Amino acid sequence: DAGVTQSPTHLIKTRGQQVTLRCSPKSGHDTVSWYQQALGQGPQFIFQYYEEEERQRGNFPDRFSGHQFPNYSSELNVNALLLGDSALYLCASSRDRGDEQFFGPGTRLTVL
Amino acid sequence: EDQVTQSPEALRLQEGESSSLNCSYTVSGLRGLFWYRQDPGKGPEFLFTLYSAGEEKEKERLKATLTKKESFLHITAPKPEDSATYLCAVRTYSGGYQKVTFGIGTKLQVIP
Repeated sequence: DAGVTQSPTHLIKTRGQQVTLRCSPKSGHDTVSWYQQALGQGPQFIFQYYEEEERQRGNFPDRFSGHQFPNYSSELNVNALLLGDSALYLCASSRDRGDEQFFGPGTRLTVL
Repeated sequence: EDQVTQSPEALRLQEGESSSLNCSYTVSGLRGLFWYRQDPGKGPEFLFTLYSAGEEKEKERLKATLTKKESFLHITAPKPEDSATYLCAVRTYSGGYQKVTFGIGTKLQVIP
């Protein structure tokens, strides 16, 4: 079992651009959550996907959107990038209402 | 609003010097408290889940305990490889859906 995988590992974009990050959940998991972790901070919840629908959303603007595919993999899209969007973006998977979230290695996004 | 406060923000220990990390929380209806370990530039690694006051869990040199207002992560005779940031998170349910809130973490450095 490869666990949770994310791609790409690193990404550099400029202000105003758009970015798509990808996540494959751990085998047997059907729920995917996305988090933003700024340097020196704890992860901040962005949103959660279950059965291809956004089920819960944190305090993030509509520039942040996502998608979940029938195979449970997920994408995070960020439009109109700002310098403040620079962070480590983490994907976590779990079974629906399961006890544990397993995190991927993250995607380091740098916005110049 | 759910709040999680971790202390200290940073801790430096000599190898073998036992200590405790604190996680205090203010939530409406706790549905689980989680401890994670995070190495620099990587995703959090799951350590423990605690559900009710008085519960304790152990793993190697780590022991997590829970009261109604806080949790402690006790580290016994730490080794340099225990150096990492330790994150605490609480899960609650809002509108039928789970929400996970993280603390800022405690950065632990164990000196040989």
